[in-house]
Amino acid sequence: DSGVTQTPKHLITATGQRVTLRCSPRSGDLSVYWYQQSLDQGLQFLIQYYNGEERAKGNILERFSAQQFPDLHSELNLSSLELGDSALYFCASSVGASGGFGRDEQFFGPGTRLTVL
Amino acid sequence: GIQVEQSPPDLILQEGANSTLRCNFSDSVNNLQWFHQNPWGQLINLFYIPSGTKQNGRLSATTVATERYSLLYISSSQTTDSGVYFCAVVINNDMRFGAGTRLTVKP
Repeated sequence: DSGVTQTPKHLITATGQRVTLRCSPRSGDLSVYWYQQSLDQGLQFLIQYYNGEERAKGNILERFSAQQFPDLHSELNLSSLELGDSALYFCASSVGASGGFGRDEQFFGPGTRLTVL
Repeated sequence: GIQVEQSPPDLILQEGANSTLRCNFSDSVNNLQWFHQNPWGQLINLFYIPSGTKQNGRLSATTVATERYSLLYISSSQTTDSGVYFCAVVINNDMRFGAGTRLTVKP
C-alpha cells in the first residue's frame, strides 16, 4: 500500500459527460501528479501540483482540468468525454521538497479505470 | 518532440538470470526516471537517475546523459520482477515515457 488513495476505482460513463476523479496524497506529501495510461497512447504525464499551485504541465487536453485543494487532495476533471478518453488514470504524490520537476520519488495510487461508452 | 525508445519490447527469462533493459532518448534531458508496473497494474518509482549509476538491491541503473541512453540492470531475477519497466525523461517541466519493456520471469 503506497498510502495514496484514488476514488472511484472504476467509472463508466457516456460520451459527452463530465467526471471528477479524486486523489488523496500520502501524509506529508505536497506534490500531486496525474497520469493517463491507455492502450493507444501508453503512459502520459498530465499535470503536477505542488502545495496548491500548478508546477508542471504535460500532454493534458483542454477538456481536462485539475486542482489541488488546501488539504492537499487533488481532483482531475474530465469533460465532454470521448471514447478515446477511456483509460486508467493514476495519481502519484511526492514530498516535493527537493525542487525541480522529476527529482522526487513518486508513490502511485491504484488508479481509476474510466470507461466511456 | 523528444523520442524515448525502450528495448527490447519483450523479454522472457528464467528465474535467476540477469537482464539489461535499455532506454534511448533523442535530446538532452533534465531528469530520467525508471518505473516498474507489476502484473496487477501497480506502478513503482524505481530510480531517479539523470546521470551516473545507482543501485538498489538487485536492481541498478546507469545513465550516460552525453550519449543519451540509460540502462536498467536486473540481477538474479525473480518471478516478482515480472511486469513492465518504463523509463521516463523530463524536459522543460514535461515528462515523456517510453513504451516499456515487458519482462516475464519464469520459475
